[in-house]
Amino acid sequence: GAVVSQHPSWVICKSGTSVKIECRSLDFQATTMFWYRQFPKQSLMLMATSNEGSKATYEQGVEKDKFLINHASLTLSTLTVTSAHPEDSSFYICSATKTSGKNTQYFGPGTRLTVL
Amino acid sequence: GENVEQHPSTLSVQEGDSAVIKCTYSDSASNYFPWYKQELGKGPQLIIDIRSNVGEKKDQRIAVTLNKTAKHFSLHITETQPEDSAVYFCAASIRGAQKLVFGQGTRLTINP
Repeated sequence: GAVVSQHPSWVICKSGTSVKIECRSLDFQATTMFWYRQFPKQSLMLMATSNEGSKATYEQGVEKDKFLINHASLTLSTLTVTSAHPEDSSFYICSATKTSGKNTQYFGPGTRLTVL
Repeated sequence: GENVEQHPSTLSVQEGDSAVIKCTYSDSASNYFPWYKQELGKGPQLIIDIRSNVGEKKDQRIAVTLNKTAKHFSLHITETQPEDSAVYFCAASIRGAQKLVFGQGTRLTINP
């Protein structure tokens, strides 16, 4: 199997607060995890690539100081949205690739973030 | 960089008929092409993928074809069922890279 979980599944927060989203690979080790953002009726937009034990690589236009990524183990990566604002409201999805396998990405169920 | 174009953006077919979604890519170095199905409010689910060393792959009612010369690949769903209704995304990955570049998505509706 290749199961990826995310927590929480949805979160509502006030403007200016920070929110942490967890991404876990449940039955495999993942050297690399990816974080995407998806706005309604749009495609997935890659935000950053997270490698275990090293700094994340951010895509152009994504603020690394606003979207903090930590990949401290082979099964867990976290995304922290700092000082969230209403425009950060979106569907955040992580994916993971198996350490032992090819570059197939397995996706989590997503986290719906609403910033009031 | 790689660019993936997906058509059509919406597709409506009668239950039992076939559905075809097409994607083109720009970088000839791409060698991995997955297809994902995304239901409302959920994460994408891998349904089938193909690598550049084969031209076709089939899994029950789902098949994917790849034309490397023309740089396009297609998803074929036969005997469609209502539960096939979802948004489908194609993607491409360049050889040696881990990132996927996604198409814009196709909203497939199966009419009973």
